[in-house]
Amino acid sequence: AQTVTQSQPEMSVQEAETVTLSCTYDTSESDYYLFWYKQPPSRQMILVIRQEAYKQQNATENRFSVNFQKAAKSFSLKISDSQLGDAAMYFCAYRGSGNTGKLIFGQGTTLQVKP
Amino acid sequence: DTGVSQNPRHKITKRGQNVTFRCDPISEHNRLYWYRQTLGQGPEFLTYFQNEAQLEKSRLLSDRFSAERPKGSFSTLEIQRTEQGDSAMYLCASSPRRLLANYGYTFGSGTRLTVV
Repeated sequence: AQTVTQSQPEMSVQEAETVTLSCTYDTSESDYYLFWYKQPPSRQMILVIRQEAYKQQNATENRFSVNFQKAAKSFSLKISDSQLGDAAMYFCAYRGSGNTGKLIFGQGTTLQVKP
Repeated sequence: DTGVSQNPRHKITKRGQNVTFRCDPISEHNRLYWYRQTLGQGPEFLTYFQNEAQLEKSRLLSDRFSAERPKGSFSTLEIQRTEQGDSAMYLCASSPRRLLANYGYTFGSGTRLTVV
């Protein structure tokens, strides 16, 4: 069975600085998708960034980028120029190549942004 | 309204009572998912529908849980004989099948259940 592990329960960053959130996963599949979701205190999950396993190029969305290391089964999220609005819980999620589409989530990392 | 709507936002119930939650997905989305999220944890998959068909159920979904999606539109999740361990946030999400992989889900704001 696939698992997703986020080993950092809490992280903090100074406003305007850069922070990296870690995620590792375990799977025997070769084709899959990885996501980072943000959950602000209002609780609605928002997709931040996604990565297809068959793509070697790391995904980037504005200030958010990932470091995808397929062999190491690592998928970290880098937030550049951190803003107060980035404060939230961040979840790493895995989706296999099957038709179900269900996501397997990590335990989450709470990010605090200090002014 | 282009989002996923969940009602109620909060529900407090006594142990042993039945509760029902509703989810209205984005209208053009034919897939609908239910997840459960306990405090400080990531969401866990419960079940999903493609149109009106319930195609997969997690082992987390005991016999006390039932979900429906009549006519492939809104969905309900019912918990019978609630237990304190059922206290959690229940999240609903929807997606268009064809674009499933590319865009992920759209989540609702969830229903927080507290069983006292």
